[in-house]
Amino acid sequence: SQQGEEDPQALSIQEGENATMNCSYKTSINNLQWYRQNSGRGLVHLILIRSNEREKHSGRLRVTLDTSKKSSSLLITASRAADTASYFCTPTQRNFGNEKLTFGTGTRLTIIP
Amino acid sequence: DTGVSQNPRHKITKRGQNVTFRCDPISEHNRLYWYRQTLGQGPEFLTYFQNEAQLEKSRLLSDRFSAERPKGSFSTLEIQRTEQGDSAMYLCASSLAPGAGADTQYFGPGTRLTVL
Repeated sequence: SQQGEEDPQALSIQEGENATMNCSYKTSINNLQWYRQNSGRGLVHLILIRSNEREKHSGRLRVTLDTSKKSSSLLITASRAADTASYFCTPTQRNFGNEKLTFGTGTRLTIIP
Repeated sequence: DTGVSQNPRHKITKRGQNVTFRCDPISEHNRLYWYRQTLGQGPEFLTYFQNEAQLEKSRLLSDRFSAERPKGSFSTLEIQRTEQGDSAMYLCASSLAPGAGADTQYFGPGTRLTVL
């Protein structure tokens, strides 16, 4: 597996605003996943997008994938205090499925009440 | 709660002591992973099992570290002769095996190890 690089490293926004974070990777992938980590709930899987998908939604989350640019973005709409966390992307190369995940340093999101 | 569980949640030990952590995966999951996370970093892969077989070990897993999954269910991670550099959060995750249509790993709450 390869490591995704999240950008920005840190982001602070007012509650209710939208938050966008980006992920770049280096080689072709089979899928890309986003995880969230906070002190209360640990590391939680948010969403998986496959290489043949361009956009995916889950509640207030919207993920896009541009394989030509080797990048993905995660949009959180109408942010809440509970969204304060670190967000990681994990691009996965292999087709035969679950392998080790490789994490970058993440984007640290702070929602200001 | 049918998620991944880890015990203990916190462990404080003195340098040179041995410690053992336990992970109970989601019951129908064939694969079990161990990761280590230090402050400000993302988790780093240590090793994984498919059923009882340990399929891959990271170079991070020195010979002081050993992991087992004897019956293909729970797993233990033992660190012998602990060093201060072993202080970290140890995370366990589980997933269905490839071909089962699942690519997602589900993480436990972690065991925080502090070596004094």
